[in-house]
Amino acid sequence: QVQLVQSGAEVKKPGASVKLSCKASGYNFTSYYMHWVRQAPGQGPEWMGIINPSGGDTDYAQKFQGRVTMTRDTSTSTVYMDLRSLRSEDTAAYFCARGGLLIKNWFDSWGQGTLVTVSS
Amino acid sequence: EIVLTQSPGTLSLSPGERATLSCRASQNIRNTYLAWYQQKPGQAPRLLIYDASSRATGIPDRFSGSGSGTDFTLTISRLEPEDFAVYYCQQYATSPRTFGQGTKVEI
Repeated sequence: QVQLVQSGAEVKKPGASVKLSCKASGYNFTSYYMHWVRQAPGQGPEWMGIINPSGGDTDYAQKFQGRVTMTRDTSTSTVYMDLRSLRSEDTAAYFCARGGLLIKNWFDSWGQGTLVTVSS
Repeated sequence: EIVLTQSPGTLSLSPGERATLSCRASQNIRNTYLAWYQQKPGQAPRLLIYDASSRATGIPDRFSGSGSGTDFTLTISRLEPEDFAVYYCQQYATSPRTFGQGTKVEI
C-alpha cells in the first residue's frame, strides 16, 4: 500500500532554515507528482508547491518563491522541502501529499505531517 | 488565484441526519477539478471525493459530491459518529492549488 513517511518535528529560531523529508513506498515513485502542503494551527491547508519526482521540475506558490526549494532523491524514493528565512508565521504542520500521474490531480495519499515550530 | 469559500463554517447535527456542505469558487473551475477532504484532529486530511463527484477508494456511499462551474456540494446522507470532523474543498485546476477554509461538522 502507498505510504508516505515524514521526518520528525523541528524547532527553529527565526531566520533559520529547515529541511523536511518524505519517504515514499508502495508505488512507482517517479510516476506520481508530489506536493507539499502546510497547515497553521486552527487554519485550513495551504499549498506550497509541487515536484515531479521523475525530472525534478518544480512549481512553487508565489507566496513561497525565493524561500522554498523542493528536491528529490530517486535512489531512496524521498522528496525534500527546504524552507529558509523562517519566521513565526511559518509555525505549522507540513505535509507531503501524493498527486497523480498528471500534473492536475487530487491528493490521494498524505504523510503523517511534520510539526515545525519557529520561536526565539 | 481561485478563492474557495465554504459554508456554513460550522454545522451542528445529530447522527443519522443529512449534512449538506457548500463550496463556492471565485471563478469557474474547469473540468470539475474539485476535491473534498475530511480531517480529524491531529490527522492528515483524507481524500473523499475527486473530480467533484467521484468517490475515492474505500469511501462509503453515504458521501456524495456534486456541482460544476463555481458551485459545489458535499452531501453526507446519514451521519455516522465517525463523520464528525472538518471538511475542506480544494481545486486543482489552476496553480496555485487552493483550499477552502473548512466546514466543521459537530454533534
